[in-house]
Amino acid sequence: RKEVEQDPGPFNVPEGATVAFNCTYSNSASQSFFWYRQDCRKEPKLLMSVYSSGNEDGRFTAQLNRASQYISLLIRDSKLSDSATYLCVVNEAGGSYIPTFGRGTSLIVHP
Amino acid sequence: NAGVTQTPKFRVLKTGQSMTLLCAQDMNHEYMYWYRQDPGMGLRLIHYSVGEGTTAKGEVPDGYNVSRLKKQNFLLGLESAAPSQTSVYFCASSFNGVGGNTQYFGPGTRLTVL
Repeated sequence: RKEVEQDPGPFNVPEGATVAFNCTYSNSASQSFFWYRQDCRKEPKLLMSVYSSGNEDGRFTAQLNRASQYISLLIRDSKLSDSATYLCVVNEAGGSYIPTFGRGTSLIVHP
Repeated sequence: NAGVTQTPKFRVLKTGQSMTLLCAQDMNHEYMYWYRQDPGMGLRLIHYSVGEGTTAKGEVPDGYNVSRLKKQNFLLGLESAAPSQTSVYFCASSFNGVGGNTQYFGPGTRLTVL
């Protein structure tokens, strides 16, 4: 069974802190990668895609390391509103590209 | 544009009862998915569909059936509910499964089986 692994946390950080999450995947043929955000008792929503060269969206930076088979999410200047669960998603190459979700990393940002 | 909608939002069943969860999307997406989410287990794929009239098994299909008679609708059926099926069920859709296509999720159905 192909695996996507995340540290469940929770990561408990003060406002303004920088926090980073990693996600490892077992299938070296995986082709596309995403971070989703899920608020408590809500549905997951796309936070950002992860590109080979790395990409940034405001305070969020995503990176991919194919050699070591992991992706990362860096959040700078954490806000209270960043408190959520962050899900790593990996799409396999070939076939029907059905995504595999990690179990999520919980982030709590406190005043 | 409502996106992905799910009905009902909440349901309580007794063991052995049956029910159907409805998912509808108005984005003309080809792919649709049903997931269940349990504490500490993350999202697990139950069944999915790559187009109208097609369905396929996911990671945890036992005890569930699905149908995709119309492109915009994906139904999840529980023929004989069991307490182990108590969960939050999410439906999702995507334009297709290729590469970078985003999944859009419905708000979820909270099901309790007594």
